[in-house]
Amino acid sequence: AQSVAQPEDQVNVAEGNPLTVKCTYSVSGNPYLFWYVQYPNRGLQFLLKYITGDNLVKGSYGFEAEFNKSQTSFHLKKPSALVSDSALYFCAVRDIAGGYQKVTFGTGTKLQVIP
Amino acid sequence: DAGVIQSPRHEVTEMGQEVTLRCKPISGHDYLFWYRQTMMRGLELLIYFNNNVPIDDSGMPEDRFSAKMPNASFSTLKIQPSEPRDSAVYFCASSLNSRGEQYFGPGTRLTVT
Repeated sequence: AQSVAQPEDQVNVAEGNPLTVKCTYSVSGNPYLFWYVQYPNRGLQFLLKYITGDNLVKGSYGFEAEFNKSQTSFHLKKPSALVSDSALYFCAVRDIAGGYQKVTFGTGTKLQVIP
Repeated sequence: DAGVIQSPRHEVTEMGQEVTLRCKPISGHDYLFWYRQTMMRGLELLIYFNNNVPIDDSGMPEDRFSAKMPNASFSTLKIQPSEPRDSAVYFCASSLNSRGEQYFGPGTRLTVT
């Protein structure tokens, strides 16, 4: 069975500092990995994904994520945080070996960027 | 493209009433998903469709919940009868194919009193 873990319920970072939101996953085969962001009273918005290729994936709004197969991690990063980045972030995984499209979402990490 | 469209945006109903939530996916997307989000349980996948066919409904909490997709541009999630514990935000999402990211609608906030 596939699973994804976001070990931090909340991450606080000062504006202008680098941010990291952690995600680890478990699949039986190779993963498709995704990051989504949710602003208050909105639906989830796609940020970036890893399917294959370069381990460093660049996405929207200056975010990037690094796929690390040995550590089964896919941490979300940004070099310089903005107050407007404050939101709820979800990591998601799908096992490529799965014969279906079901994606498993993490529990979410609330990012608070402090001015 | 207008994105995934959901209606209504807010629904307040009394326990025992029937509730129908509606979704229009992005044109050309082959997959459609229904999710429920609550503070206690987070984001839960209820059911998903591929080419209008239900593939996995194992997340549907009980027989009071049903979902249909009569054509590629419309899906409904029905709760009958509704209960206070069904209060949540219900999201519809669609994706182009099996490898694609999902695009979420704005959600329907359901309150059952």
